[in-house]
Amino acid sequence: EIVLTQSPATLSLSPGERATLSCRASQSVSTSLAWYQQKPGQTPRLLISAASNRATGIPTRFSGSGSGTDFTLTISSLEPEDFAVYYCQHYSNFGQGTRLEMK
Amino acid sequence: EVQLVESGGGLVQPGGSLRLSCGASGFTFGSYWMSWVRQAPGKGLQWVANMKEDGSVAYHADSVKGRFTISRDNARNSLYLQMNSLRVEDTAVYYCAREIPAGACYYDYWGRGTRVTVSS
Repeated sequence: EIVLTQSPATLSLSPGERATLSCRASQSVSTSLAWYQQKPGQTPRLLISAASNRATGIPTRFSGSGSGTDFTLTISSLEPEDFAVYYCQHYSNFGQGTRLEMK
Repeated sequence: EVQLVESGGGLVQPGGSLRLSCGASGFTFGSYWMSWVRQAPGKGLQWVANMKEDGSVAYHADSVKGRFTISRDNARNSLYLQMNSLRVEDTAVYYCAREIPAGACYYDYWGRGTRVTVSS
C-alpha cells in the first residue's frame, strides 16, 4: 500500500503570503496525484488532478507540481477563503492533511 | 447541475446494520465510476469502496471488506452501501463521490454526506 505523508501538519501564514504544501509518496505514483481543499463543515473540493491540472473553476493562484514521490501544492498569494485543510490523494490513499491557518 | 444526495445514516449499535443511499442527478449516472469515502470525527478522508459504471466491478477497503457492500442501480440513478457488523470505528460521515473519467479515482463532485454513529 502506498502511504502519502503531508507536511507540515499545520502551516500558519497571513493573507497575501505564498503557501507551499508538500505530499510525499512512499513509492512512485508517477503523476497520479490529486489535491483537495476542505473547509470546516464543508465537503472536499477537487483542486488539482494528475499532479498539475487545475480543476474547473479553481483560481489560478492554486498550482500543483511534482512527479514520482514528491509533490507540491502552491497557493501564490493567500486569500482569506483559502484557510482550510488540504489533502493529497493517490487512488484509494489519502494523506493525513495539512491545516492552513491564518496567522 | 450535478447533485449527489446521501441518506440512510443514523445511530446504530455495534454489530448492527445500515444501508446508505446516494441519489444522483444532473449527469449520466451510468457513465461514471462512483465511490464512498468516509471521514471520522476530526479525522481525515478514508476511501471505503467504489464501483464501475455498469456495476460489474467493485472494490472495498480492507477495513470494511466482508462487512460492507457497494452496489448501484443505474435505472434509479442511485448508489448504495450496505453496512453490516458495524463497529465503533465505522463512526463517520459517509460521502458519495463521483470519479472523473481519468482512471485515477479523482473525485470532482461530492455529496454533503450522511452521518453514521455506531455506539451502544
